Parts: sequence; structure tokens; C-alpha cells
Amino acid sequence: GDSVTQMEGPVTLSEEAFLTINCTYTATGYPSLFWYVQYPGEGLQLLLKATKADDKGSNKGFEATYRKETTSFHLEKGSVQVSDSAVYFCALGDTSGTYKYIFGTGTRLKVLA
Amino acid sequence: DAGVTQSPTHLIKTRGQHVTLRCSPISGHKSVSWYQQVLGQGPQFIFQYYEKEERGRGNFPDRFSARQFPNYSSELNVNALLLGDSALYLCASSPDGQGYEQYFGPGTRLTVT
Repeated sequence: GDSVTQMEGPVTLSEEAFLTINCTYTATGYPSLFWYVQYPGEGLQLLLKATKADDKGSNKGFEATYRKETTSFHLEKGSVQVSDSAVYFCALGDTSGTYKYIFGTGTRLKVLA
Repeated sequence: DAGVTQSPTHLIKTRGQHVTLRCSPISGHKSVSWYQQVLGQGPQFIFQYYEKEERGRGNFPDRFSARQFPNYSSELNVNALLLGDSALYLCASSPDGQGYEQYFGPGTRLTVT
């Protein structure tokens, strides 16, 4: 079945550093891909999405490009802020017809001032 | 516009008891999905409903059941609670039966003692 693999955390960065969180997927079809962010004690917020190969999703300075050839959807941000500290989840829309999301295990990001 | 709402926020139950969790989708959204998020893990799909019909079911025991009402709100029921059912239960709504994109509520934190 479809699956998502995310880099393990925690990731600790200084403010204004460059961020990359790796995400790769396995799918029989062509899934939509998503990044969600979860702040402490809260639910999930959609950060960005891409629905087909070579699409670039972007929001709040975060970007991710749907790479079919490498089955990847890495999250990047050029300059992180303390307020970006959260857990980031990569997810795909299942292609088997159930319309469920399949999530990675999450990557905790801590940004130090 | 109000987002996805869930009630209650927190809940403490004893092993063997039954629990009902409630979700109201974003106005105009007809699809609701339920996910279980165990501490430190990504959310796992439980159910999806669209127009009051079950569209998908994850790998959960029959102790878990759900339904969707004519106003598109939904209930998740769990019988014979086990310690392992302790988790954050997330509800997500989407406009149509395709399931994309999904907007998550704040979750219900269930603790089973």
C-alpha cells in the first residue's frame, strides 16, 4: 500500500537558518501531496499542497516541489523563525479510492533565538 | 467562517467504558474523516463519511464505529475502551467526496485509565 517516510527529528536550528525536512513516498498511482503543521496542543493546519508532478506548493515562506522521479516532497524554508517551532507532517492522498490521508511520523522542529 | 469544531476537548474514561466524540464540519462541507493520533506518531485513518455513507474504513477493530447526520456533523463511538485507545482524535472535513483537501479540527484528547 501507499506509504510516507519522513526524516526523524528533532531538528534544532538557529533563527534565520535554512530548513529542509525530507519526505519520500510510495504510491501505485499519482497522489496529491501535503505538508501539515501542528503546534503544541493543537490540531493540524494545512501548510501547502501539490497535486501533480513538478507542482510547487508554497505558503508563509515554506516551499515543497512534487518530484515524481525521486518520489519526494521535501519541505524547505530559507530563513526560519522561532515561531516556526512545531511538528511538521508530510501526507499523501491515498490512491486506492478510500480518499484517506496517509501521514508520516512527523518531524519536530525547534528554532532557537 | 467557523472551522471544524470538536467536542469535548478533553475526556478521561476508564477501561471498558464507552465514549462518543462529536465533530461539526466547516459549513458547506459534506465529507468528514476521523483520525487517531497516538502521542509521538502521525495520525492514522479511522473512517471517512460522505453524504451520510461510509466511504472508507481504516485498520481499526469493530469497537470503533461512526455515523454522519443529515446536517453533516459526525460522531465517533468507541466501545470497551482499552488503555491503548488513549490518543488525540482528529476530525477533518472536506467539501466533497474526493477527500481533498482536508481541514482538521483541534481534536479531542482521550485518556483511558
